[in-house]
Amino acid sequence: DQQVKQNSPSLSVQEGRISILNCDYTNSMFDYFLWYKKYPAEGPTFLISISSIKDKNEDGRFTVFLNKSAKHLSLHIVPSQPGDSAVYFCAASHQGAQKLVFGQGTRLTINP
Amino acid sequence: GAGVSQSPRYKVAKRGQDVALRCDPISGHVSLFWYQQALGQGPEFLTYFQNEAQLDKSGLPSDRFFAERPEGSVSTLKIQRTQQEDSAVYLCASSSLGGLSNQPQHFGDGTRLSIL
Repeated sequence: DQQVKQNSPSLSVQEGRISILNCDYTNSMFDYFLWYKKYPAEGPTFLISISSIKDKNEDGRFTVFLNKSAKHLSLHIVPSQPGDSAVYFCAASHQGAQKLVFGQGTRLTINP
Repeated sequence: GAGVSQSPRYKVAKRGQDVALRCDPISGHVSLFWYQQALGQGPEFLTYFQNEAQLDKSGLPSDRFFAERPEGSVSTLKIQRTQQEDSAVYLCASSSLGGLSNQPQHFGDGTRLSIL
């Protein structure tokens, strides 16, 4: 059973516009959510996280939104830049279980 | 070093051979994790250490997989009698706090294992 799902395998966005990546989860015990960015042949790089006590967290061009009732989170990147082209993974965990559960990833391509 | 270091970056082995993958976490990080990533998928949890204690090994796919962290720093993931389905990227991650605190995990670049 896929507890964390990223239903869009790929997304293409024009440079300067907003990129919105989506993630859904099924386990209501999850209380900590993260987004990672991955370039080819490199490990995932931590981008931003959010605790379930919040519904929004912002860091520069990156904002994560959490809708607990819908079990949905999203990552907004604005403005999008060519260097943002990568695979993005959302991940979740809950207190007492340190392991991260990852989605399948979304490949973001930023077009000049 | 500044980040999580994994070696070797690439490993090719014949089916049936044993392999050992090394992870050097960020200095001072208490928690260490191993993940397996198949092509086109997200990483999947294998095992977790807090210092030298292996607190969760629920993700290890079989008893051929064994991990250790004897002194609470460097960790080794060993796979015995490798099989073709073991081919994957093995990722190591560390985080600064254990217990109930939420801290992001920081990943190494992984070891790409190919079993022929």
